[in-house]
Amino acid sequence: EPEVTQTPSHQVTQMGQEVILRCVPISNHLYFYWYRQILGQKVEFLVSFYNNEISEKSEIFDDQFSVERPDGSNFTLKIRSTKLEDSAMYFCASCLTGGVYEQYFGPGTRLTVT
Amino acid sequence: DQQVKQNSPSLSVQEGRISILNCDYTNSMFDYFLWYKKYPAEGPTFLISISSIKDKNEDGRFTVFLNKSAKHLSLHIVPSQPGDSAVYFCAATFKAAGNKLTFGGGTRVLVKP
Repeated sequence: EPEVTQTPSHQVTQMGQEVILRCVPISNHLYFYWYRQILGQKVEFLVSFYNNEISEKSEIFDDQFSVERPDGSNFTLKIRSTKLEDSAMYFCASCLTGGVYEQYFGPGTRLTVT
Repeated sequence: DQQVKQNSPSLSVQEGRISILNCDYTNSMFDYFLWYKKYPAEGPTFLISISSIKDKNEDGRFTVFLNKSAKHLSLHIVPSQPGDSAVYFCAATFKAAGNKLTFGGGTRVLVKP
C-alpha cells in the first residue's frame, strides 16, 4: 500500500541553526501539507501546497518557514533559524485531489531544538 | 483555538464491548469530518469520515454519527479489540479552508483483554 515517508525520524539541532525536513508524498497525490504537534498539544496545521505554490498557511508559518517541492517526489519544510519552541513532531500529509478530504500522514519527524 | 474539542482525554473499555468517542465543534462552516487513529511514534492513520450531508457512515467495526444541530459527532467501535488501543483524533475541514484539517485534542483508548 502506498504511504507517505519522512526523513529523518529524529533531528536534533541547536537554536539558530537551519533544518530541512523531508517528505515523499504518495506518488499520485497532488496536495501536500505540513502539520506539527508540540508535546501534549493538538496537531496544528502549518501549510498546504498545491501546483508548486502555497495555497494556505497558518499564523505559525512565518518568515522562518518555507516549503519546496524541488523535484517530482520530495516535499520539504525548511526552518531557517530554529527556536526552542520549534521542538515538535512534524507531520507531512498528502491528499489525492482538492475534492477529496482524506489526508494521509507520514510517520513524522521529531525535531528537538537545544 | 477550540474549534474542535474532544472532552474525554481517555477511555477504557473491555474487549468485545463498544467504544464511543465524542467530538464537538463550534465552527458551523465545517462540512467534512474525519477520525484518525494514532499509535505512538507513528503518524495519524485515516479511519473514517463523514460529510455534513449525512448523519451516519459505517465501515466495518467503525461507525461515525453526525448531529449537525448539536455540532457533535461520535465514533463507535464495535466490537473493540486490543489492537484498537491508540489515540483517536477527530478532525474537521471545509472546502474554503483549502482542506486544512483542524484537530481535536485526542482521546486515548485502552481496550483491556
